[in-house]
Amino acid sequence: GAVVSQHPSRVICKSGTSVKIECRSLDFQATTMFWYRQFPKQSLMLMATSNEGSKATYEQGVEKDKFLINHASLTLSTLTVTSAHPEDSSFYICSARTTNREQYFGPGTRLTVT
Amino acid sequence: GQNIDQPTEMTATEGAIVQINCTYQTSGFNGLFWYQQHAGEAPTFLSYNVLDGLEEKGRFSSFLSRSKGYSYLLLKELQMKDSASYLCAVVEYTPLVFGKGTRLSVIA
Repeated sequence: GAVVSQHPSRVICKSGTSVKIECRSLDFQATTMFWYRQFPKQSLMLMATSNEGSKATYEQGVEKDKFLINHASLTLSTLTVTSAHPEDSSFYICSARTTNREQYFGPGTRLTVT
Repeated sequence: GQNIDQPTEMTATEGAIVQINCTYQTSGFNGLFWYQQHAGEAPTFLSYNVLDGLEEKGRFSSFLSRSKGYSYLLLKELQMKDSASYLCAVVEYTPLVFGKGTRLSVIA
């Protein structure tokens, strides 16, 4: 299957700082990428849909000024958590969709805000 | 919107066969996905069904009936490493929204 990478895999930051997470499709071009958040023992929650070259579409309840998404190329999308707080600590997972609609996930980024 | 139902937990014996069912109600349909997720890890793609019928990939098979809004994931020759959550998700339009998943425990 297609490969999606995510960096970093783990990050610890102080409250009030910003963190950038990168998501790359390594062997295919992804016009659409998705960002999910998952809290312990809960299902994945879609945060936003990112289309290359256009603004991301955020799900209800997700602050677009806090979670900045940039999809500058067909292989790269970034999620920046601005002014992070402890309640933002979570497992963030990106996903990229292929041209035949299959969707593959990156390995996830575990964010801890202290 | 989407309504996806699957059992919360299942237990099966090593070497056995287990079937995880998923029913859905959506206003549109562009395919159904099954993913495996081990604790602390991201989901892994298992299958994508867009037409009715059974698709087999090694020990894993996935079935879809669009008229019934029903799918199942069949796991054969269960191994201990198959203990994980199995997520069913239906693509209505663009985003992929997940159900709560089925936590499968494989016991010796």
